Amino acid sequence: DTAVSQTPKYLVTQMGNDKSIKCEQNLGHDTMYWYKQDSKKFLKIMFSYNNKELIINETVPNRFSPKSPDKAHLNLHINSLELGDSAVYFCASKKNQETQYFGPGTRLLVL
Amino acid sequence: KQEVTQIPAALSVPEGENLVLNCSFTDSAIYNLQWFRQDPGKGLTSLLLIQSSQREQTSGRLNASLDKSSGRSTLYIAASQPGDSATYLCAVRRGNAGNMLTFGGGTRLMVKP
Repeated sequence: DTAVSQTPKYLVTQMGNDKSIKCEQNLGHDTMYWYKQDSKKFLKIMFSYNNKELIINETVPNRFSPKSPDKAHLNLHINSLELGDSAVYFCASKKNQETQYFGPGTRLLVL
Repeated sequence: KQEVTQIPAALSVPEGENLVLNCSFTDSAIYNLQWFRQDPGKGLTSLLLIQSSQREQTSGRLNASLDKSSGRSTLYIAASQPGDSATYLCAVRRGNAGNMLTFGGGTRLMVKP
């Protein structure tokens, strides 16, 4: 009964490629998020999205774009991957004022 | 700009000790504060959520306090166990920032048997 799931778990790819990471939540939550955790383990918000608005952290390059086919999914598309994109990416979801639930993370390595 | 700092960055204690993890934030205008646990290679698990109007929250051997005016929170772990070994992260939510969280750098805790 996974609450927030991400695929793939690991992603190794060449610089310059375009890739996507998928996220699904079965909690009926309204808002979903993407976070990036760098090599120093700092977690930084990338996007906040519900069916009304998308909020983008101003530091996120426009090569990153979230796509939500429906309320339960928020996928992360990355164009022209760079070495510095290597990190662990976490998806999370939340309902109203409750706590956020995090996915297991996707470990991206750009070669 | 909100900045969240956690001290110490790493902590190693023998089993059974009581310990305190510290979190400080620069902007006291927060909506709530959360403590998370992250196990190696795993995602985050929410431990405690403290609303800005609250002073503390308790769950089992964990107690989290919040002093919003001084920009501080502590996570108290009683009678530590080896299974408590993990990285502990605190995060604050700004009420007007799209519900997004700002995380501290975490404290890596190791509890030795």
